[in-house]
Amino acid sequence: KQEVTQIPAALSVPEGENLVLNCSFTDSAIYNLQWFRQDPGKGLTSLLLIQSSQREQTSGRLNASLDKSSGRSTLYIAASQPGDSATYLCAVNSNYNNNDMRFGAGTRLTVKP
Amino acid sequence: DAEITQSPRHKITETGRQVTLACHQTWNHNNMFWYRQDLGHGLRLIHYSYGVQDTNKGEVSDGYSVSRSNTEDLPLTLESAASSQTSVYFCASSAPGDYSYEQYFGPGTRLTVT
Repeated sequence: KQEVTQIPAALSVPEGENLVLNCSFTDSAIYNLQWFRQDPGKGLTSLLLIQSSQREQTSGRLNASLDKSSGRSTLYIAASQPGDSATYLCAVNSNYNNNDMRFGAGTRLTVKP
Repeated sequence: DAEITQSPRHKITETGRQVTLACHQTWNHNNMFWYRQDLGHGLRLIHYSYGVQDTNKGEVSDGYSVSRSNTEDLPLTLESAASSQTSVYFCASSAPGDYSYEQYFGPGTRLTVT
């Protein structure tokens, strides 16, 4: 059974800092990995999706990397802003039909002005 | 714009009552999913459907059922609500044939069973 772990559970940084969120998974046989953002009381917003054949994806100030062999992914946020404050979730999809998608518990990020 | 909506957004019910949570999407996606989110557990899959008349059990399906009579809707029913089913419920959809199989989520329903 795939287990997904996110460390740290919570992170507080000053505005402008670059930061890295970590996600690890136990089974390297994955189809893709997705990073989501969740604001309090809201649903999940997809940030980046990395296929198993890819090493990284970038969107604006966000960069996600994938190392399947070591079971790790990182989400890099450059020049953090208070608006980046949210919970970030990592999800690993083990097949092409999304019916075995495993989520981490998330990292709650606070960016202080 | 296409979207996915859930109703109600908040619900309080009593133990033993039947509860139905609605999910409606206008993406015209064939794939739809129901998850629950609990502190410390992330999201866990309850049921999913790949099209009309198709339903399948997920990781935590006991005590829940779904039915799919059209493409747009996948209602989730708690047959006899239990306190352990107090949670936040999310509906999601994705499009088959889209190689990424990216999922789009609704805003969630907070259910409290007293």
